[in-house]
This record gives sequence, C-alpha cells and structure tokens, in this order.
Amino acid sequence: DTGVSQNPRHKITKRGQNVTFRCDPISEHNRLYWYRQTLGQGPEFLTYFQNEAQLEKSRLLSDRFSAERPKGSFSTLEIQRTEQGDSAMYLCASSLGGLDYGYTFGSGTRLTVV
Amino acid sequence: EDKVVQSPLSLVVHEGDTVTLNCSYEVTNFRSLLWYKQEKKAPTFLFMLTSSGIEKKSGRLSSILDKKELFSILNITATQTGDSAIYLCAVFIQGAQKLVFGQGTRLTINP
Repeated sequence: DTGVSQNPRHKITKRGQNVTFRCDPISEHNRLYWYRQTLGQGPEFLTYFQNEAQLEKSRLLSDRFSAERPKGSFSTLEIQRTEQGDSAMYLCASSLGGLDYGYTFGSGTRLTVV
Repeated sequence: EDKVVQSPLSLVVHEGDTVTLNCSYEVTNFRSLLWYKQEKKAPTFLFMLTSSGIEKKSGRLSSILDKKELFSILNITATQTGDSAIYLCAVFIQGAQKLVFGQGTRLTINP
C-alpha cells in the first residue's frame, strides 16, 4: 500500500489519559498535514509540516496537543489529558511540493474519549 | 475569517436523478477550490478548480467555478446508489498551505 497510512484506526480512551497517533505519508511527499473532523462537519486544519519543520499551527491546536515529524518522515500527534470534546476523526494528509491537488488523505484515526 | 459554506447539508434523491451541490466561499487569499467525496473514511479527490467558467468533467460528475460570485457547483447526472456519500468542498489558501472545508453535503441515493 503506497498511500497515507494512519495508526491506530480506532482508539477509545478514558478522559484524562494521553493518546498518540501516527501518520506515515507517501514516501516522496515532503509536506504533511493534520486535520480534525467532528461528526457532521468538514475537516478542520490543525497543523502543517514541510519536511521536519512545523510551519503552521491552528489556534485549534491547544497546548494539550503536540505534533512532531522527526527526520521529515512519519509524524505523530499527541493529545495530553484528553477531554470528551477531543472525540473526533483525526485525518493526516501529505502532498509533494506545491502540488495542492496532490493532497492525499489517510483513512484517519477515530478517537472516542469516554 | 476564511469561510466555506455548502448547501444543501443533506439531500435524498432517487437513482437516476440529477443533483446539484453548492459551495460558496469567503477567503482572504484564494488559490483553488477542490471537491472531495467521503464515504467511510478518507476524503477522495474529485476536482480542482482554479479558473472561472471552465467546466471540469469526469464521467457523470462535473464542476464549475465562478470567482466573481465566489461559488462553485458540483453536478452529478444519472445518479447511482454508489454516489451516496458526503461531498466536501474545500478552498486552498494561498501561502497558508491549508484547506478550509465546508460542512459537507450528505447525499443519499435511493434505489
């Protein structure tokens, strides 16, 4: 499979726990993006990496959220002290250079905070 | 604040009908407008529109952009049950490298 891969597919966690998601982009793509999608809404931008540099963060990304992309390959998104409002689908996308239509989304990680 | 609004939010039609989905936008730095189809999980790319008045077609789907009136439409002719999905419109913001999505239109095609 040469698409964008996200793990885990589903995560159920208790309120207050920390969770970490992983995204493996298409190998030649240097740009990586995280989005969050709640039920009945379109995806909302969270953050963007070019290689290993995090170049943009949405104000939605509170201080409980942190994203990394060590060595410009895979990326992780960590949520600390989860809250019920964090329940959502977390989508990762990657693209090559300035090819905006090359945005390819992964299948997402569905987080449920109970 | 950058904003993309889709209508209707939900649409139920019979197989064989033609549907038109609407997308309007107000953004600071427009670069292109994209349409995606989302079934169970990942949004899949349909069209990218950059210039006004040029129709993009793929089989029974077509889309056009009006940059003066700030909207786009997605048409699906001779709908099939496999067209049932959420259709997302998104605007790519120049310089920001991000997509701003609308809420989506949930389309249901009944046999």
